[in-house]
Amino acid sequence: DGGITQSPKYLFRKEGQNVTLSCEQNLNHDAMYWYRQDPGQGLRLIYYSQIVNDFQKGDIAEGYSVSREKKESFPLTVTSAQKNPTAFYLCASGRGQDSYEQYFGPGTRLTVT
Amino acid sequence: GESVGLHLPTLSVQEGDNSIINCAYSNSASDYFIWYKQESGKGPQFIIDIRSNMDKRQGQRVTVLLNKTVKHLSLQIAATQPGDSAVYFCAENTGGFKTIFGAGTRLFVKA
Repeated sequence: DGGITQSPKYLFRKEGQNVTLSCEQNLNHDAMYWYRQDPGQGLRLIYYSQIVNDFQKGDIAEGYSVSREKKESFPLTVTSAQKNPTAFYLCASGRGQDSYEQYFGPGTRLTVT
Repeated sequence: GESVGLHLPTLSVQEGDNSIINCAYSNSASDYFIWYKQESGKGPQFIIDIRSNMDKRQGQRVTVLLNKTVKHLSLQIAATQPGDSAVYFCAENTGGFKTIFGAGTRLFVKA
């Protein structure tokens, strides 16, 4: 069963703690993306990776970090420096150049109190 | 489920009617456009796409229209069904890895 998975579905953390969100894909896609979604807004790009061991900042990268050590995995760490971390986080993958369709995971709802 | 887009523009249609969802895009250099559907608590799903060298593309029950003169995109859903209720996003791409998503429109289908 091919697809993209995110875990967990819901995550709760105390303020000041770092937290890592998981994203795995078995679609053999080169590109992977992390988006943040807030009520009343579209998806905002946090980080993206075109290829293993390479990643680029998106529009709202401050307070976040990523790694891309394997093609299948693109974990996102929400650090304590992120001022408003409570949000719905979506991971996506895509074939890359010349194919811009993105395949999304089910999302992780992070609540920080 | 997840509540996204609490203050989104909303379109309410009767089951069986046609729906038209509109989107104004921002970049005249964008050459690829996609419509996504997002159900409550889930990630967006691809519906249909169109390249800038086309002005219309049809899928199963869906049609996308592109007007580059006024930077406008629309999604038409024929014979709207309760399962079409969701938030719909348009997205634009200028040929690179970054895609820009619109804020979304919530579609309610009344039975």
